[in-house]
Amino acid sequence: NAGVMQNPRHLVRRRGQEARLRCSPMKGHSHVYWYRQLPEEGLKFMVYLQKENIIDESGMPKERFSAEFPKEGPSILRIQQVVRGDSAAYFCASSMGQNYGYTFGSGTRLTVV
Amino acid sequence: EDKVVQSPLSLVVHEGDTVTLNCSYEVTNFRSLLWYKQEKKAPTFLFMLTSSGIEKKSGRLSSILDKKELFSILNITATQTGDSAVYLCAVEGNAGNMLTFGGGTRLMVKP
Repeated sequence: NAGVMQNPRHLVRRRGQEARLRCSPMKGHSHVYWYRQLPEEGLKFMVYLQKENIIDESGMPKERFSAEFPKEGPSILRIQQVVRGDSAAYFCASSMGQNYGYTFGSGTRLTVV
Repeated sequence: EDKVVQSPLSLVVHEGDTVTLNCSYEVTNFRSLLWYKQEKKAPTFLFMLTSSGIEKKSGRLSSILDKKELFSILNITATQTGDSAVYLCAVEGNAGNMLTFGGGTRLMVKP
């Protein structure tokens, strides 16, 4: 069991470009969560998805950010027209559901130059 | 809004010392409190606490929850340089949709 796989590990984008971050949950996990960690800060919840459904996106900025978890394939966090303030580590976690705990991936470090 | 505060922000000790990390919280409909260790990669799970007064232990690490006073502590005895990391505390409310994290305690253990 490979755990939660995130790629790429590091991503550099110029201002105005798009960033796509991928997360493959652990085998058997159908719940995916995205968190953002700004430098020297704790992790902040962004969005919670189950297969083909966004359950809670209360932590996601209203503009430029979107997430999906299709029936087949990884979950994608998409940031359009990136700005310097988007530079952060983005972590994905997966779970079998409530009461089962969360397993985190190694994160994608996005740097906007 | 759920809130988690960790203290101290950072801590420097020498190998063999014992440390206590603190986590206080405010959460609507508390479900669980979790501790994670974060080095330069994924936060790795340490403990999940749901009941007051029951100590959870794993080797040199232990943790306890006080639901009346709304806090938890993480103890590390006989610290080693490999314990150097950021320790994160998080709470889960009844919605079960998310974890609310504290800012972390950065622990450095010197040889």
